[in-house]
Amino acid sequence: AQSVTQPDIHITVSEGASLELRCNYSYGATPYLFWYVQSPGQGLQLLLKYFSGDTLVQGIKGFEAEFKRSQSSFNLRKPSVHWSDAAEYFCAVGLYNTDKLIFGTGTRLQVFP
Amino acid sequence: GAGVSQSPRYKVTKRGQDVALRCDPISGHVSLYWYRQALGQGPEFLTYFNYEAQQDKSGLPNDRFSAERPEGSISTLTIQRTEQRDSAMYRCASSLASTGPGNTIYFGEGSWLTVV
Repeated sequence: AQSVTQPDIHITVSEGASLELRCNYSYGATPYLFWYVQSPGQGLQLLLKYFSGDTLVQGIKGFEAEFKRSQSSFNLRKPSVHWSDAAEYFCAVGLYNTDKLIFGTGTRLQVFP
Repeated sequence: GAGVSQSPRYKVTKRGQDVALRCDPISGHVSLYWYRQALGQGPEFLTYFNYEAQQDKSGLPNDRFSAERPEGSISTLTIQRTEQRDSAMYRCASSLASTGPGNTIYFGEGSWLTVV
């Protein structure tokens, strides 16, 4: 069955530090992969997505993610975190030929000054 | 509208009551989705529509849950005889066209349902 694992429930970083949020998926075919962010009082916002081609994907707000097929991973990175990045981040896999997204349980990011 | 609009944003209801949650998608969006998100979990797919046709309702947990989109725009998710386990955030989303997950899906802010 398809699934998404985000091993880190909660991460704390200092402002200006680099960030990597982990995501592993289980899916038999080539996945469509997404990262969404949920800020307090906001809806889910798409940060970036991967369908095919270049395995390094650039997104909004300075985020990027790298698809590694051999590791079934799609980790999210940012070189320098800002206090406004504090939020909950969700990784999701889209099932081929359907419109469903399977989400991970999320990683809550705290940023200290 | 500018984004996906959901109402009510917060709903507290007594166990056994029926609840209707409304979703107004982005204007012109063909596909509309309902997800449920329990505390500490990621969103979980419930159902989706293309225009007024319900394409997939495999995620609806039981027959107390139903959804409709009669004119291909606004959608209502109805929960009958609510139970405490129904307490969650219900998220609506829409996308421009249904050609698989290649579309960007835009989510609303959600409706928080608490059943007491």
